[in-house]
Amino acid sequence: DAGITQSPRHKVTETGTPVTLRCHQTENHRYMYWYRQDPGHGLRLIHYSYGVKDTDKGEVSDGYSVSRSKTEDFLLTLESATSSQTSVYFCAISSGLMSLETQYFGPGTRLLVL
Amino acid sequence: ELKVEQNPLFLSMQEGKNYTIYCNYSTTSDRLYWYRQDPGKSLESLFVLLSNGAVKQEGRLMASLDTKARLSTLHITAAVHDLSATYFCAVDFGNEKLTFGTGTRLTIIP
Repeated sequence: DAGITQSPRHKVTETGTPVTLRCHQTENHRYMYWYRQDPGHGLRLIHYSYGVKDTDKGEVSDGYSVSRSKTEDFLLTLESATSSQTSVYFCAISSGLMSLETQYFGPGTRLLVL
Repeated sequence: ELKVEQNPLFLSMQEGKNYTIYCNYSTTSDRLYWYRQDPGKSLESLFVLLSNGAVKQEGRLMASLDTKARLSTLHITAAVHDLSATYFCAVDFGNEKLTFGTGTRLTIIP
């Protein structure tokens, strides 16, 4: 258990509303990632962070923003949710001295945008 | 373009049989990862392959990496029902990120 929690675990929201998902780690790892998982697409990287206040875009970042004000927390915000953002969202962290020695995944958040 | 392709996408096999899942990737890398995902669950790290010729084994699963061919294999020996899951490979192309394949859904039939 890599000490990763995500909240909420499930959420239903309406189109146009803002949504924030939280990833919390207790391991003090430097790197944190947000992915979305959709059938037929595997996991796709949305944003990642390589330190406090240091973030960068992934391959599907449009419509999403992130913030990391503390080592342990990485927030993903959907500024104005759309139905295409209905998905399962996973947070991951990387351990070890090298950034990608391994990745541990959180339990996921199921988001439904109506 | 950085791409990772897995095949087959779906695999149904009988208990006791052997089979191999293939993971091809588009450009140079010597760091490849295998994960397992059970339905409705998160991803679990299975293997980390960090050099050409690397081979890792855990129980009935064995993973290998051929960086020259840009190919990794996940071999299943004498399959049992508990191995039913979706298996993902992911590649580090040296850009501090992982690129995932689309996954192989494995079903073991008694």
